[in-house]
Amino acid sequence: DQQVKQNSPSLSVQEGRISILNCDYTNSMFDYFLWYKKYPAEGPTFLISISSIKDKNEDGRFTVFLNKSAKHLSLHIVPSQPGDSAVYFCAAKGGGYQKVTFGTGTKLQVIP
Amino acid sequence: GAGVSQSPSNKVTEKGKDVELRCDPISGHTALYWYRQSLGQGLEFLIYFQGNSAPDKSGLPSDRFSAERTGGSVSTLTIQRTQQEDSAVYLCASSPLAGALHFGNGTRLTVT
Repeated sequence: DQQVKQNSPSLSVQEGRISILNCDYTNSMFDYFLWYKKYPAEGPTFLISISSIKDKNEDGRFTVFLNKSAKHLSLHIVPSQPGDSAVYFCAAKGGGYQKVTFGTGTKLQVIP
Repeated sequence: GAGVSQSPSNKVTEKGKDVELRCDPISGHTALYWYRQSLGQGLEFLIYFQGNSAPDKSGLPSDRFSAERTGGSVSTLTIQRTQQEDSAVYLCASSPLAGALHFGNGTRLTVT
C-alpha cells in the first residue's frame, strides 16, 4: 500500500529553467510533508517542509506547494542548477504518529 | 555539530550469517528511525523509536530483523540468518520531537 507516490521516476531539465517534482498521497491523516534530496552514496538531506495549515512554503530557490483537496504536493526549483541533479524524495507524516512515509523518489537531471 | 553516524559503511556477509548495524544519532534527538533502500526502490520504513515509548516495529519485514536503542541513544539493527533479499542500504535517521529527519550515510549490506 503505497501511501506516498511519486509517479515520475525521472526528470530532465535545462539549467536555468524550472524543475517541478510531483507527489501524491492517499492518507488523509497526513498533516506534515517534507522533501529530501539524495546524492549517490550519501544519506538523504532535508530540503523543505510544509504543514497542512499552509498551501505554500518558500526557501530560496525551493518552493513547495500543497493542494490538500487533491492530496497533491509539488516541489519547484527555480532556477535549476547542475548541482541540483539528485534523487528527490517526498515524505509525509501525521495522525499523531511520528512515522515518516517516503515516496519512491524522482531522479532529477539538470543539463548544463 | 556531529551528524548521524552509521557503521560499518559497507558490510559483505555470507547467506545465513547474522549482522549488526550501528547508528549513533545526533545528541539530543529523541526519535530514531531505521529505513532501508533496496536497489531501484524507495525508502522502506523498518522501525521507529521515540524516547521511552514502545518502538513502532510495524515495518520490520520478518522476525529475523530486530533493533534496540540503548539509553535512548545508540541503536543497533540486527539481521539474523541473512538472506540475499536482505541486500540493501540501511539508513538510520534521528530527529527532535517535532522536526525533520536527519539521515546518516547508511550501511550498504551485501549478502552473498
